[in-house]
Amino acid sequence: SQKIEQNSEALNIQEGKTATLTCNYTNYSPAYLQWYRQDPGRGPVFLLLIRENEKEKRKERLKVTFDTTLKQSLFHITASQPADSATYLCALEGAGNMLTFGGGTRLMVKP
Amino acid sequence: GAVVSQHPSWVICKSGTSVKIECRSLDFQATTMFWYRQFPKQSLMLMATSNEGSKATYEQGVEKDKFLINHASLTLSTLTVTSAHPEDSSFYICSAKIQGARNEQYFGPGTRLTVT
Repeated sequence: SQKIEQNSEALNIQEGKTATLTCNYTNYSPAYLQWYRQDPGRGPVFLLLIRENEKEKRKERLKVTFDTTLKQSLFHITASQPADSATYLCALEGAGNMLTFGGGTRLMVKP
Repeated sequence: GAVVSQHPSWVICKSGTSVKIECRSLDFQATTMFWYRQFPKQSLMLMATSNEGSKATYEQGVEKDKFLINHASLTLSTLTVTSAHPEDSSFYICSAKIQGARNEQYFGPGTRLTVT
């Protein structure tokens, strides 16, 4: 069956460091992979989309990589700030533009 | 741009009653809206896909007679939880795709439903 796995344990890092979050998937051949940020009690906010033929995508302090051989995406936040503390969700787009979400990884950036 | 609102933001209802949640795209037209449910410390689970002017498509395991979806216009979709029970208590989130655009979805702020 299709599965999307994110590290369910919280990631704690020091302000200024680079945070790296992992998204692994099985039994998928997604054309697109998306990353969202979700704050407690709020809906997800779209961050980045990467296509299967793209290796890397950047947006300001964010960088996403997509390895379709490893079936893995890495999400990096450089020069992290306490305001980056949130849950980060990866999502794969399937038929009908439906999104299937991973379980999310909670990031805590300490000052 | 691309703002999605939900109303109400939270609601408490008694077991056996029905609750309607509205999802509106404020500054764009959305031919497709999606309804998700999220239980505490879990990820979003897609409940149904709502297309304007047609019947919603429900995911496996979601009761279409219990979760009624109406997508009457290009800017409004409603989810009605009928005969709600405590196990329906959850965070309900809608999202919308911009008409003609392919990819990212814009999410509403969510509605916290508590059934007592």
